Amino acid sequence: SQTIHQWPATLVQPVGSPLSLECTVEGTSNPNLYWYRQAAGRGLQLLFYSVGIGQISSEVPQNLSASRPQDRQFILSSKKLLLSDSGFYLCAWSVSEQYFGPGTRLTVT
Amino acid sequence: AQSVTQPDIHITVSEGASLELRCNYSYGATPYLFWYVQSPGQGLQLLLKYFSGDTLVQGIKGFEAEFKRSQSSFNLRKPSVHWSDAAEYFCAVGNTGKLIFGQGTTLQVKP
Repeated sequence: SQTIHQWPATLVQPVGSPLSLECTVEGTSNPNLYWYRQAAGRGLQLLFYSVGIGQISSEVPQNLSASRPQDRQFILSSKKLLLSDSGFYLCAWSVSEQYFGPGTRLTVT
Repeated sequence: AQSVTQPDIHITVSEGASLELRCNYSYGATPYLFWYVQSPGQGLQLLLKYFSGDTLVQGIKGFEAEFKRSQSSFNLRKPSVHWSDAAEYFCAVGNTGKLIFGQGTTLQVKP
């Protein structure tokens, strides 16, 4: 069966520090991969999606970036975090419907 | 523009009562429709999906949803709510790629 992992589960970082969130999928090949952000009291905002290694599409202009160095690995990064980057970050994979990871709670202080 | 609207931000029902969560969408092509549930601090779990065929779809945990093309709706229903159903529910529309999510409906269940 397929599983999706995200780490860390929680993260507290100061403004201006770098960020790296990792997502890995097991049990499937060549999935579409997605990064979402969920701010408090709001729905899900699609940040990036990838249809293959090295193929990244950005949905929203921001100071975040994403990379897909391996088929089942998706990384969300930032060189300098902003207060507005705080939120709940969710990774998802799909072949048809999307399946979500457990999420990472990021607090930028 | 493509969008999903969940008109009810917050709903409270008594345990054992029936439930209906509303979802309306705007989408240019034939939509694929989904309902997800999210418990606090957790990821989203797929409840059910509609791709084609029978417009009444059954999902997990006793949920069902009905696709009504004429009303651009995909409402979620459950005949008898359990306390464990308290969570946030998201409707989504899209295809096999990107999804557009509604803002979510928070369900509270009274004992």
